Amino acid sequence: DAEITQSPRHKITETGRQVTLACHQTWNHNNMFWYRQDLGHGLRLIHYSYGVQDTNKGEVSDGYSVSRSNTEDLPLTLESAASSQTSVYFCASSSRGFPSYNEQFFGPGTRLTVL
Amino acid sequence: AQTVTQSQPEMSVQEAETVTLSCTYDTSENNYYLFWYKQPPSRQMILVIRQEAYKQQNATENRFSVNFQKAAKSFSLKISDSQLGDTAMYFCAFMKLPTNAGKSTFGDGTTLTVKP
Repeated sequence: DAEITQSPRHKITETGRQVTLACHQTWNHNNMFWYRQDLGHGLRLIHYSYGVQDTNKGEVSDGYSVSRSNTEDLPLTLESAASSQTSVYFCASSSRGFPSYNEQFFGPGTRLTVL
Repeated sequence: AQTVTQSQPEMSVQEAETVTLSCTYDTSENNYYLFWYKQPPSRQMILVIRQEAYKQQNATENRFSVNFQKAAKSFSLKISDSQLGDTAMYFCAFMKLPTNAGKSTFGDGTTLTVKP
């Protein structure tokens, strides 16, 4: 069955370190997204991609970067981790056409703690 | 920019009863999708129901239905015959079409607890 996976599921790091969160999907979706979820907030969009070599900034992109070298993967990099980036990170993918019609399929999330 | 508001941070309902979760949104667009997603305590978020703005008929999926009021920019979710497995956080989401395909704006969520 197709799926979307994230690794690691839990990560503790120190302020100033570079961290990369992996996202891999086997849906063959063109669209991929990274969100963060903080207590008391919904999901806020960090970066997104509509295809290979395409990346775009979302509403909370400062301090994050992504690259898309193939259809399946969209790794999220925190250039220099800050305590404000402690959060749960969700990756999602979607396709415009039949049968999902833009439904987003979410990964299980990565809980990141920056000390 | 679009905004999505869920005015009920927490709700509870007795098993087998009906509950309605509220969602309002602000947009000047005419062509868009609206979604309700469910996030159980296990955290994997899944789609509950989807509504295309051009459709006047309210979407229904088994025990889940929506009341879509386009003029009022309201999109509420009704859960009938509530079950313990419905306990979750529910997010309302807006997606503009066609240029922002797949990019959604989410509300802050409503935590629903179904009590036995």
